[in-house]
Amino acid sequence: LAKTTQPISMDSYEGQEVNITCSHNNIATNDYITWYQQFPSQGPRFIIQGYKTKVTNEVASLFIPADRKSSTLSLPRVSLSDTAVYYCLVMYSSASKIIFGSGTRLSIRP
Amino acid sequence: NAGVTQTPKFRVLKTGQSMTLLCAQDMNHEYMYWYRQDPGMGLRLIHYSVGEGTTAKGEVPDGYNVSRLKKQNFLLGLESAAPSQTSVYFCASSQLGYNEQFFGPGTRLTVL
Repeated sequence: LAKTTQPISMDSYEGQEVNITCSHNNIATNDYITWYQQFPSQGPRFIIQGYKTKVTNEVASLFIPADRKSSTLSLPRVSLSDTAVYYCLVMYSSASKIIFGSGTRLSIRP
Repeated sequence: NAGVTQTPKFRVLKTGQSMTLLCAQDMNHEYMYWYRQDPGMGLRLIHYSVGEGTTAKGEVPDGYNVSRLKKQNFLLGLESAAPSQTSVYFCASSQLGYNEQFFGPGTRLTVL
């Protein structure tokens, strides 16, 4: 059974690095892992995507270990504006399923 | 470019009424999706389309129908609304199935 699991909430402070982990069982070699950010009353917005090892863009990094049963979104030097809900999404090609995690509510304090 | 737009933004229905939600995208994307998001929960896929004239069921398709007659539009229909369908509905599109999805602003639907 395909399932995507994340922590419900996390707290951090401005300037810190934040790591949010997502667990995804039964993931296949070519299944992509994507992370989205959502602010209240808005649609989710793309952050980063990958399917193996490490991907980095201007706002985040995505780490995927060799067994691919989990992935970690890393936000360097967070600010108050990073307070939002973060979702991981896995597209399970073997079952043609698109499964969002339940979201991690990140709160950043001054 | 407007990206992904949704009509209407808000709607209140009585139990048993029907309605259609419209999603439009101007990015020439092949894939389109309809999700629902209940309070404090993640998004659940209702139906999706991999191209004009095609539709497929997602995780929670019961009580909904969809149509993709034109590539840029994806319609979500509720034939007989129920209170359990009170939710925020998001439409999204992507060029291919594994690409970044672009989301619309959402439609807040209340069924009394």
